[in-house]
Amino acid sequence: SQQGEEDPQALSIQEGENATMNCSYKTSINNLQWYRQNSGRGLVHLILIRSNEREKHSGRLRVTLDTSKKSSSLLITASRAADTASYFCATDEAGTALIFGKGTTLSVSS
Amino acid sequence: EPEVTQTPSHQVTQMGQEVILRCVPISNHLYFYWYRQILGQKVEFLVSFYNNEISEKSEIFDDQFSVERPDGSNFTLKIRSTKLEDSAMYFCASTGAQEKLFFGSGTQLSVL
Repeated sequence: SQQGEEDPQALSIQEGENATMNCSYKTSINNLQWYRQNSGRGLVHLILIRSNEREKHSGRLRVTLDTSKKSSSLLITASRAADTASYFCATDEAGTALIFGKGTTLSVSS
Repeated sequence: EPEVTQTPSHQVTQMGQEVILRCVPISNHLYFYWYRQILGQKVEFLVSFYNNEISEKSEIFDDQFSVERPDGSNFTLKIRSTKLEDSAMYFCASTGAQEKLFFGSGTQLSVL
């Protein structure tokens, strides 16, 4: 089954604004992770939230997880041009490899 | 900071040829993965490898694909007879604890 579908597919904002991306998944998970990919590069891990956690912060990143709705959101506060990238959520069905969604492409203009 | 390295960064091959993509995972990691990404599309799981054997593979990973850890450092993906649809960016990843993955910068494979 397809795990980790992000929404929106593309997001354009101005520097200083907040960016919110959402992710939905279909089955139970142990954890959900967010990754960032700059154009043509590998993915970089941003943050992991476990199924028993509801919210987690890392610098300007805030991740929430609602297991009842099978959804997560990634909030980037006070965005910068350097945040321009694609953002992917990834989930694990219990014991399996990470499965990535299609990603949200974020463009931050100065 | 330790990193996953992949070679070559670009590979061009003719349809039907064999290719080997190479990866050097982070040295103390135990779990290794190959993913691929067709231009502009999602990152697709191919295979995971642990304790010198495949632990999981996707539908994409058919008989044309194989993986090997020939020594203590390299992890390779072989495609025996490439097809046009194999053109993609191939990413190797490793982890020590089956959680946070560390990705290489990828090999862009172009099949002509």
